[in-house]
Amino acid sequence: DGGITQSPKYLFRKEGQNVTLSCEQNLNHDAMYWYRQDPGQGLRLIYYSQIVNDFQKGDIAEGYSVSREKKESFPLTVTSAQKNPTAFYLCASRPTGFRGGAKNIQYFGAGTRLSVL
Amino acid sequence: GQQVMQIPQYQHVQEGEDFTTYCNSSTTLSNIQWYKQRPGGHPVFLIQLVKSGEVKKQKRLTFQFGEAKKNSSLHITATQTTDVGTYFCAGGDYKLSFGAGTTVTVRA
Repeated sequence: DGGITQSPKYLFRKEGQNVTLSCEQNLNHDAMYWYRQDPGQGLRLIYYSQIVNDFQKGDIAEGYSVSREKKESFPLTVTSAQKNPTAFYLCASRPTGFRGGAKNIQYFGAGTRLSVL
Repeated sequence: GQQVMQIPQYQHVQEGEDFTTYCNSSTTLSNIQWYKQRPGGHPVFLIQLVKSGEVKKQKRLTFQFGEAKKNSSLHITATQTTDVGTYFCAGGDYKLSFGAGTTVTVRA
């Protein structure tokens, strides 16, 4: 069953703590993305990666870090430098190259809700 | 950078009525995509428009891409309770810019 798996579903962070959100996909997609969603707002891009071992900052990268050591995995670390981390975090992936259908579609995981204790 | 704006932010609709939500970009778009996010869920791709003036239909949903490729609209006819959720438009290629979304609630 192909898809994108995010874990955990809920996460609580203490002051000064770094936490890591997991994102795994078995869709064989090259590109992966992390978004932050706050209530009543759209999706803001944190980081993205178009290929293994390469990633780029998005619009709100400060206080976050990522790695892309494997094609299937794109974990996001919310560092203690992120002073307002409470949000819904969404991971997405995208196939690269035109495959006969609509291109540049992003497929989303179920998300992780992060709260601060 | 590219900015995508959506109006209205909230749409309260009587069941059975029609409504339209609008998406405007500060720059010309190569394509526009629409996603739907149900309450508590994640965004799910609905449709992509590529050509100037393109119109696509999915049952009661009609999507349109403007002639100048800087705006788009989603029109829903005979709204049902299953239409509840937030509808996002997004423009771009390898990197999408999402609008803030239109959150739709339905009065039975």
